[in-house]
Amino acid sequence: DIQMTQSPSSLSASVGDRVTITCQASQDISNYLNWYQQKPGKAPKLLIYDASNLETGVPSRFSGGGSGTDFTFTISSLQPEDIATYYCQQYNNPSITFGQGTRLEIK
Amino acid sequence: GQLVESGGGLVRPGGSLRLSCAASGMTFSSYSMNWVRQAPGKGLEWISYISSGSSTIYYADSVKGRFTISRDNANNSLSLQMNSLRAEDTAVYYCVRDAVVRGLFEYWGQGVLVTVSS
Repeated sequence: DIQMTQSPSSLSASVGDRVTITCQASQDISNYLNWYQQKPGKAPKLLIYDASNLETGVPSRFSGGGSGTDFTFTISSLQPEDIATYYCQQYNNPSITFGQGTRLEIK
Repeated sequence: GQLVESGGGLVRPGGSLRLSCAASGMTFSSYSMNWVRQAPGKGLEWISYISSGSSTIYYADSVKGRFTISRDNANNSLSLQMNSLRAEDTAVYYCVRDAVVRGLFEYWGQGVLVTVSS
């Protein structure tokens, strides 16, 4: 299976800050990489697909980039409602795998 | 679209349970489906996939040989038969619909809790 390594595992930032999460794949996955947001007690929500495409209805302060093995997820200006855990996910092969998650808190 | 899971609960180690997922507000037969689970306080784990016409099925190694995914397009439903359950199968189980492309988890159910304990 392809291993996905996210960092950091937790992050504390202030409202208005620029926040970046990284995700590294154990092998080349091209751009088959998605990002999800999960708020406490809720199901995950797709934010970014194919590494850099914003899902319909998702605010433009969210963005993604990268290809191959190294990917980034950025919130350009952190808002209080962005408090959640964020997961990367690869779908390059039949066995889909997620990163371990990044818990984002407000400082 | 909406996905609603049912069938969760408490089961003893070695026991069986069948989860169901009812789909509405979508052309269910057009989309491939998945089960994804999340152990308490842990991350997300994809466990099974079924294509729109049931011709292709995949399982994660952690459940292969114990779990069986199936679907009934006539009744807009997805199922997961879970046998030989272990304590480490304790989790919230989500029914998840792919987007047009397999692997884009576009719609999620609210999840159903399965607890395996004696």
